[in-house]
Amino acid sequence: GEDVEQSLFLSVREGDSSVINCTYTDSSSTYLYWYKQEPGAGLQLLTYIFSNMDMKQDQRLTVLLNKKDKHLSLRIADTQTGDSAIYFCAEIPYGNNRLAFGKGNQVVVIP
Amino acid sequence: DADVTQTPRNRITKTGKRIMLECSQTKGHDRMYWYRQDPGLGLRLIYYSFDVKDINKGEISDGYSVSRQAQAKFSLSLESAIPNQTALYFCATSDTGTGKAFFGQGTRLTVV
Repeated sequence: GEDVEQSLFLSVREGDSSVINCTYTDSSSTYLYWYKQEPGAGLQLLTYIFSNMDMKQDQRLTVLLNKKDKHLSLRIADTQTGDSAIYFCAEIPYGNNRLAFGKGNQVVVIP
Repeated sequence: DADVTQTPRNRITKTGKRIMLECSQTKGHDRMYWYRQDPGLGLRLIYYSFDVKDINKGEISDGYSVSRQAQAKFSLSLESAIPNQTALYFCATSDTGTGKAFFGQGTRLTVV
């Protein structure tokens, strides 16, 4: 299946950590992605993880992948006001070749 | 210059009118996509193309058509616009190997 599920809204104080979660149904996806959409803009690739990895760290971003539970998370350390955006997780299900997106999670950073 | 360029950025049109949204890319990617974004519904795929001679329907293709004029150009048409096609439309390309996608800035379409 191609269902990618995300919760919808997260409010976080500047300087705190924020965690966004995503579940997916196709365990054979090779890559899983996080995209960021700032207000009035298109989506930008934030980071991605190869399916044979459990964790990937990129500066303030940490991606965790639990293949057993089909769970993907994105942790943003020291959240800044510029992190206010909608975050989408995405996968390419095996044999599909098309990105399947979650519904997005809006993160609002409170100064 | 942006890698993926959409024109127009904003458009208001009347019910029943034909409208075309254009997309061009400089990434050199074979794969191109049109998505529609509505609040609370995320991104829904309208059409996609894996090369110039390849056109495929997505989840919500009814009421839309596309044309892949060249590797770099992929246009979306609404033959007879209706109000529930009011939405934010995105064009995207993707790298065949890694699947990384690159999006245009979006076209905000309002059908009145």
